Amino acid sequence: QVQLVQSGAEVKNPGASVRVSCKASGYTFTAYFLHWVRQAPGQGLEWMGVINPSGGGTTYAQKFQGRVTMTTDTSTSTVYMEVSSLRSDDTAVYYCARRSQSSGTYYFDYWGQGTLVTVSS
Amino acid sequence: QSVLTQPPSASGTPGQRVTISCSGSSSNIGRNAVNWYQQLPGTAPRLLIYSDIQRPSGVPDRFSGSKSGTSASLAISGLQSEDEADYHCAAWDDSLHGPVFGGGTKLTVL
Repeated sequence: QVQLVQSGAEVKNPGASVRVSCKASGYTFTAYFLHWVRQAPGQGLEWMGVINPSGGGTTYAQKFQGRVTMTTDTSTSTVYMEVSSLRSDDTAVYYCARRSQSSGTYYFDYWGQGTLVTVSS
Repeated sequence: QSVLTQPPSASGTPGQRVTISCSGSSSNIGRNAVNWYQQLPGTAPRLLIYSDIQRPSGVPDRFSGSKSGTSASLAISGLQSEDEADYHCAAWDDSLHGPVFGGGTKLTVL
């Protein structure tokens, strides 16, 4: 069965960086794009960007350009997202999500369990 | 501020039918498919409706989606206590070059 398993919770100081991992299993890793979406406490979902595991091509939301880096390791079927220059408003649960498509439309059919990142001094 | 607009809350009694709206613009809902996600307390979102009206396998037919112009709706009939959750709409946005979400609607089963 398809699974996306993320790394554990992190607590970081303002100005630091954090790297979150997302390990995929149960499907051909390079066949599906993986997205990152975050959810601040009590808020809605916010798209951060996408990585193509086959080749590593990325697209980042304009808000996060210059501060987010997504990478892939095909040997372990894992994608990583690093956020730098952390601020208190980066405190959120970060999710990876697999993109599927049907008849030319796209949707997220599997999600990781989420990783809580807390930014606090 | 979310790009898509949803009511923050909705409620109903067991057995009732409730609808949740999602309003967007010509650059997102007006041109692209709408997806709905259900998020039970403390868990990750789960795909509920895709391509405006399609249900993934395993989703009960009590859940249905519709779209007209730049708005979409999620309907839940025969409301059950386990439907108590947050519901998020989403669509691709051609101007922002990425998916956009609503702020989520918290559904309470009274």
